Amino acid sequence: DQQVKQNSPSLSVQEGRISILNCDYTNSMFDYFLWYKKYPAEGPTFLISISSIKDKNEDGRFTVFLNKSAKHLSLHIVPSQPGDSAVYFCAARYSGGGADGLTFGKGTHLIIQP
Amino acid sequence: GAGVSQSPRYKVAKRGQDVALRCDPISGHVSLFWYQQALGQGPEFLTYFQNEAQLDKSGLPSDRFFAERPEGSVSTLKIQRTQQEDSAVYLCASSLGTENSPLHFGNGTRLTVT
Repeated sequence: DQQVKQNSPSLSVQEGRISILNCDYTNSMFDYFLWYKKYPAEGPTFLISISSIKDKNEDGRFTVFLNKSAKHLSLHIVPSQPGDSAVYFCAARYSGGGADGLTFGKGTHLIIQP
Repeated sequence: GAGVSQSPRYKVAKRGQDVALRCDPISGHVSLFWYQQALGQGPEFLTYFQNEAQLDKSGLPSDRFFAERPEGSVSTLKIQRTQQEDSAVYLCASSLGTENSPLHFGNGTRLTVT
């Protein structure tokens, strides 16, 4: 059973517009959430994170929003740039897990069109 | 500084062969993780080390999978008697091990079992 779900396998956005990637989770014990970006033939690269005590975290063009009651988080990229084209993974962990290990979603392939 | 290094980048094995995959974490990183990523899926947790201690191996799919990190630095993931379903990208990640420190991934080893 998937504990972290990214229901959109792909998303196409025009350059300069806002990209919104969504993620849902089922495990209410998760207390820390991360987004990773992955280019082909490379490993995932850490992008931005948010603790469950916050509902928003911003870093430049990237903002992550967390809605704990809905068990939903989203990543906003604005403005979208061609270099943002990649697969984006949502990941989650919980402090009581005994490790820093992450549970990942299946990813969303973001395509930025010129 | 140098990131997480994995070797080989690609490995082709005949069914039944043993393989060994190497991971050099970022210097000073206490925590080390192995993940398996099948085509079209997100990374799935295999095992976790804190220094030389293997604290969690709950994700290893069978007793054919074995991981070690004898000196708390380099780690090796060994797969005995490989099967076709073992074909995947094997990702290694390391982190400082402090609270909410992000995982830094290597570029992975793509294993193909024929």
